Amino acid sequence: SQQGEEDPQALSIQEGENATMNCSYKTSINNLQWYRQNSGRGLVHLILIRSNEREKHSGRLRVTLDTSKKSSSLLITASRAADTASYFCATDDGNNRLAFGKGNQVVVIP
Amino acid sequence: GAVVSQHPSRVICKSGTSVKIECRSLDFQATTMFWYRQFPKKSLMLMATSNEGSKATYEQGVEKDKFLINHASLTLSTLTVTSAHPEDSSFYICSARGNQGFREQFFGPGTRLTVL
Repeated sequence: SQQGEEDPQALSIQEGENATMNCSYKTSINNLQWYRQNSGRGLVHLILIRSNEREKHSGRLRVTLDTSKKSSSLLITASRAADTASYFCATDDGNNRLAFGKGNQVVVIP
Repeated sequence: GAVVSQHPSRVICKSGTSVKIECRSLDFQATTMFWYRQFPKKSLMLMATSNEGSKATYEQGVEKDKFLINHASLTLSTLTVTSAHPEDSSFYICSARGNQGFREQFFGPGTRLTVL
């Protein structure tokens, strides 16, 4: 069963704005990962945050994790048209089997 | 980062035929590979976990006789969709995990299967 579930809303923003996506899950995790997928393509790993971490940064990406609320957020700052993609969170329960959420479609308008 | 390839990238076949999809880790040894299925505008669904030299572990609801998985070497896993039917049409994605203990999975570019 899927553990990671993003809010199902698609997001459309202007270039330069920030994009925030949320993810909730239901069971215990070892880590949570965010991936990006361009239409019809494979997944690109963006960032991994461990269960004992609360925040992590990578370039224009900022991920938070609240294990008490079983939720995570992905923030993309200063968005670019090239950021247009679907973004998925995935939880790893420690057995390295990833449970993916539904994905969030982000459209950045130039 | 590590590179995973899939072949073919796109395949169209007639109903009843079998299709083999290859997943290769190009610059690292993958002790574990995973096979996912993705329907249009949907998320990825884990089908099976493949460990080199042993039988694959299938997720609940996935028919092992329908989706044959072979992980014959540390760089190659294959998924064979046997007697394919139109409902098997989907995007199949593999991922590979190295043997150095890190948790990251590296994903292939996916294979689009269309069964007529």
